[in-house]
Amino acid sequence: DAGVIQSPRHEVTEMGQEVTLRCKPISGHDYLFWYRQTMMRGLELLIYFNNNVPIDDSGMPEDRFSAKMPNASFSTLKIQPSEPRDSAVYFCASSLQPDRPGTDTQYFGPGTRLTVL
Amino acid sequence: AQTVTQSQPEMSVQEAETVTLSCTYDTSESDYYLFWYKQPPSRQMILVIRQEAYKQQNATENRFSVNFQKAAKSFSLKISDSQLGDAAMYFCASQNYQGGSEKLVFGKGTKLTVNP
Repeated sequence: DAGVIQSPRHEVTEMGQEVTLRCKPISGHDYLFWYRQTMMRGLELLIYFNNNVPIDDSGMPEDRFSAKMPNASFSTLKIQPSEPRDSAVYFCASSLQPDRPGTDTQYFGPGTRLTVL
Repeated sequence: AQTVTQSQPEMSVQEAETVTLSCTYDTSESDYYLFWYKQPPSRQMILVIRQEAYKQQNATENRFSVNFQKAAKSFSLKISDSQLGDAAMYFCASQNYQGGSEKLVFGKGTKLTVNP
């Protein structure tokens, strides 16, 4: 399997522009997670899905952020409008339903480094 | 709420030596998992080792082992025979188990340097 795929790997945009980050989870995985990594706050969960349904979006910073998972093989994280403080590395991760210990290990994509000028 | 604390922002070790990275956590759940992830300069998050809280035996993966002290809520990572490729950021993480996959809560990380 190719692992979790994220695109783009790097994104530079100007304040006020819309940004869309994309993720393709590992085939067959039931869960998809979006994390954000910054120097100040470290790694923190934004939102996660189970079978394409959002389960916990309490980490989404504000209404400018939205995430969708239209099918089992694709998810997007959108920021509209973007602000300089959104600059961070955004990771997508996926895992299986834990039917036994160890099977729900989260596998991470390579991340998207977002810079908002 | 879950919290994970890594008190060592940076550590260094000589190649072939042993180093221990510290981690403490706090959770109100009785069933949870603990992890160490490695993040090299490529920034890929790589799982190093995991520990189920109900298991008393410490997990090991080749040169990597943990010292899990449940009562003290401590979960340290020992790297034996350190190699240059071990240089990276190491993140400790906890995950509550409530019947489904849950979010990971990460510490701030420890930057490990391996000196030749």
